Amino acid sequence: KNQVEQSPQSLIILEGKNCTLQCNYTVSPFSNLRWYKQDTGRGPVSLTIMTFSENTKSNGRYTATLDADTKQSSLHITASQLSDSASYICVVFSGGYNKLIFGAGTRLAVHP
Amino acid sequence: NAGVTQTPKFQVLKTGQSMTLQCAQDMNHNSMYWYRQDPGMGLRLIYYSASEGTTDKGEVPNGYNVSRLNKREFSLRLESAAPSQTSVYFCASSDPGQGLFFGSGTQLSVL
Repeated sequence: KNQVEQSPQSLIILEGKNCTLQCNYTVSPFSNLRWYKQDTGRGPVSLTIMTFSENTKSNGRYTATLDADTKQSSLHITASQLSDSASYICVVFSGGYNKLIFGAGTRLAVHP
Repeated sequence: NAGVTQTPKFQVLKTGQSMTLQCAQDMNHNSMYWYRQDPGMGLRLIYYSASEGTTDKGEVPNGYNVSRLNKREFSLRLESAAPSQTSVYFCASSDPGQGLFFGSGTQLSVL
């Protein structure tokens, strides 16, 4: 069964600290992997899209990694800010309009 | 730049009532989607429309109908609402090679 599992479920860090969120997937075939940020009460917004051949991709203070062999991805947030408080959702695209598999997300809270 | 616009933002229904959620995008995307988001679960696809004039069932289509009115608009209808349809609903649009662009959601409660 195609699945995307994220850990931890929730995380609290202090402003200025770094953190890493994990995503493991069992999706086949694999087309690409996406990370989204979802602020409370808003729709998800794309952070990165990574294809099979990409190991690392950055978007400002966000860096995503992908290991297609172990089927793992991580999202590293550097020097966290209060505005980073949100849910982060890992999504694997398996090809086709109805083949996006969503993880349940990691809820991150950044405290001053 | 509005992107994807959903209405209403909030709705409370009684069991058995009907309603239509509206969605419009101004990015000239061909594909549009309706998802629901429930606590502790990933977003689940209800229906999608690959292009104007076509609609297809997603993972959880029971109890819903959709209409792709034109290229911009894609509506979701609940004919007889049930408490199990209490959820947050998101409309999204995309074109090949792009990520999904989501609306801000509709929070629906069915009593």
